[in-house]
Amino acid sequence: DIQMTQSPSSLSASVGDRVTITCRASQSISRYLNWYQQKPGKAPNLLIYAASSLQSGVPSRFSGSGSGTDFTLSISSLQPEDFAVYYCQQSYSAPPIFGGGTKVEIK
Amino acid sequence: QVQLQESGPGLVKPSETLSLTCTVSGGSISSYYWSWIRQPPGKGLEWIGYIYYSGSTNYNPSLKSRVTISVDASKNQFSLKLSSVTPADTAVYYCARGLGTGGLIDYWGQGTLVTVSS
Repeated sequence: DIQMTQSPSSLSASVGDRVTITCRASQSISRYLNWYQQKPGKAPNLLIYAASSLQSGVPSRFSGSGSGTDFTLSISSLQPEDFAVYYCQQSYSAPPIFGGGTKVEIK
Repeated sequence: QVQLQESGPGLVKPSETLSLTCTVSGGSISSYYWSWIRQPPGKGLEWIGYIYYSGSTNYNPSLKSRVTISVDASKNQFSLKLSSVTPADTAVYYCARGLGTGGLIDYWGQGTLVTVSS
């Protein structure tokens, strides 16, 4: 199985900050990398697919980049509604493993 | 707008079989990959498996010996059976719509907590 490692596991930031989360695959997955946001008690929500494509309805402050084994999710200006847990997921081969998650907390 | 709703018992005894059904509304079950994903309390996401509307399946190797996913297109439903459960199978179980064989998910159900306990 392809393993996905996210860092950091948690971070504290203020409204308006730029935030970057990284995800590393244990082998090359081309651009088959997706990002989800999960708020407490809710199902995950797709933000980014194919490494950098913004899902319909997702604010443009979210962006993704990377290819091969190293990927990033960036939030250009953190908003109060962005405090959540973020997961990466590889969709290159089954099983589609998720990363361990990054919790974004209010500083 | 596609909506998914899980249903089934919230409490299952150890060694028994967990059974859940997902009802899809607002769209056809045809031409998509229908997945089950779970999340133990306070932990991350684990993909269980998916079924294509035609019936072909793909399961997580770590659960494959205990998992069966089936589809009933006439009812716009798909189902999960997980046998020989233990307390480690306690989790929120999500049904979801996948866009391909890779596991990309665009719609999720709200999730249902299943507790394994005697």
